[in-house]
Amino acid sequence: ETGVTQTPRHLVMGMTNKKSLKCEQHLGHNAMYWYKQSAKKPLELMFVYNFKEQTENNSVPSRFSPECPNSSHLFLHLHTLQPEDSALYLCASSQGPGTSATDTQYFGPGTRLTVL
Amino acid sequence: DAKTTQPNSMESNEEEPVHLPCNHSTISGTDYIHWYRQLPSQGPEYVIHGLTSNVNNRMASLAIAEDRKSSTLILHRATLRDAAVYYCILREPSGTYKYIFGTGTRLKVLA
Repeated sequence: ETGVTQTPRHLVMGMTNKKSLKCEQHLGHNAMYWYKQSAKKPLELMFVYNFKEQTENNSVPSRFSPECPNSSHLFLHLHTLQPEDSALYLCASSQGPGTSATDTQYFGPGTRLTVL
Repeated sequence: DAKTTQPNSMESNEEEPVHLPCNHSTISGTDYIHWYRQLPSQGPEYVIHGLTSNVNNRMASLAIAEDRKSSTLILHRATLRDAAVYYCILREPSGTYKYIFGTGTRLKVLA
């Protein structure tokens, strides 16, 4: 596979469930990102990892827990979510800051999450 | 962070050129102008970027005003597959990695 892949593509979970979203990039990039896209709202940056180290947490509630075991994989662990957390969760990757003044981000197709 | 302003929606006929405007009056001298688009049921994809000079690639052209307070994404011949939400984003140069997405312009292409 090429590019950025995300699994699952769709997820329905209850408020007491624990689930994980997975992202994998096949581009040899060093930086990975989680974004949240709610209905009728702009994309919101959640977390940034660069060389497996978290470099940004955009005031995300602790019920969202990211994990980056290596530069190719990124997880978002979910627990005790609320219905308002229902959204499209997008993963992206890029070469990383400092590598280029433009550092284009490549996005996966997203996971459509519904919290009941 | 500098902000961008785009029309909420635009329509175009198939095979005709489309000019998508973006205002960024508070742009700093080092901010790059990026354009992404999001096709239905997909993540955003890179279209083009520029700093001061106009830019062309296989997807589109980017025209940047001389004072850099506005820019225009030009699709030379719109196709039905170009129907998407187009985002104009300012990005600080190397050393940061934030993209601040606005609400974008939803482009509808009429057959």
